[in-house]
This record gives sequence, structure tokens and C-alpha cells, in this order.
Amino acid sequence: AQSVTQLDSQVPVFEEAPVELRCNYSSSVSVYLFWYVQYPNQGLQLLLKYLSGSTLVESINGFEAEFNKSQTSFHLRKPSVHISDTAEYFCAVSDQGGSEKLVFGKGTKLTVNP
Amino acid sequence: NAGVMQNPRHLVRRRGQEARLRCSPMKGHSHVYWYRQLPEEGLKFMVYLQKENIIDESGMPKERFSAEFPKEGPSILRIQQVVRGDSAAYFCASSPPGRDFGGYTFGSGTRLTVV
Repeated sequence: AQSVTQLDSQVPVFEEAPVELRCNYSSSVSVYLFWYVQYPNQGLQLLLKYLSGSTLVESINGFEAEFNKSQTSFHLRKPSVHISDTAEYFCAVSDQGGSEKLVFGKGTKLTVNP
Repeated sequence: NAGVMQNPRHLVRRRGQEARLRCSPMKGHSHVYWYRQLPEEGLKFMVYLQKENIIDESGMPKERFSAEFPKEGPSILRIQQVVRGDSAAYFCASSPPGRDFGGYTFGSGTRLTVV
């Protein structure tokens, strides 16, 4: 069985500050990794994903995440956040070659203050 | 190209009533997934369906919950005799056939309130 731990339930930061949202996973098999973002009263939007290849993946709006197999982590980072980045961020894992279901962490609420 | 459409957006039911949640996948997507989000929790997998087939229902409660994805029409998640603990946001996602994994697209969800 797989599990995902998001260590911080809430992260407040000031605008233009850097941010890191932490995600650790547990799995006995190789995995795919995802970050989703949820704005208030909306569905989840895929932010970025790691399937294979380069361990550093980037999104179109400046977020990046690095897959670290030895530390079983997939932390999300952004060097300078905007007010509009305020949302809840979910890390998710799926096993390679198995059922196409995702196991989600409990989420991290990022609040960007002016 | 419309995204994943879920309706209704909000649903209020009294205890003991039935709730029917609908999901129309994106055009060209033949795989549908249902997830439930309880307050202060992440999403929990419920069921994975393809047209006319339930592929994985390991996350579905054993009683009162059922899901279908008929040959024609939307996927339906049905909750019979609702209880207060069923209050949650229910999200549907879809993906295309094949192993293009990571292609989940989520709908905006149905927020069920049981009073």
C-alpha cells in the first residue's frame, strides 16, 4: 500500500518570498508523482508530474518539484510567490503498472499575504 | 472542448434520501474515477470505471454506495439512505484510453450536504 505525507497543513508567506511545500511518500514499488492545486470551491488542476526521466519537473507558472528517490520525497518549490498562488496544494502518488488510482496527501494550504 | 462536467454543483439531502451525482467525462475519455473529499482531508479514491465495467471499486463503502458508467450517458454515483457522514465533496475525473498516465482531468465537484 502507498501513502503520502504532507508535513505542513498550512503555510503562510509574504508575496515575492520563496516557498517550499513538502511531500514524502511511502511505496514498495516504483511510482509516478503528482502535484495538484485546488482553488476555493473548484476542482483539482494538475500542476506538474513526474513519470520518468529528469528528476526535476517544472510547471508553466514557475513551480518546480524534484523527485528524490533516496529520500522518497517530491517537494514543491517556487522562488517568488504571488497573491494568486493562494490555494490548497495536494501531492499524490500512483504505482507504475497498477490500477490508475491516485493516493493523495491531506493537502497544504498556501496563503500568500501582501 | 468542454472539461469534465459534474452536476449538480451543490446537493442537499435529508437523512434517508437518495443522492445521485452525475459525471460526464471529457470528449474522448473512456475512463472515469470517483473520489471523495472529506473536510480537512485529501481526496480518497472510491471507484474506477470504464464503459459498462467497474474496474476497481476497492474504495467504495460496502453498503449504500454504487456507481455505473453506461454505454450511453454520464457516469452516476448513487448513495442510498444518506447519513450525515456522507456530507463531502465528490469529485469525478476522467482520462483517455491507453497508458498516457497523469492525464487525469478533474471536474469541479458536487458538494453534498446531508441535513
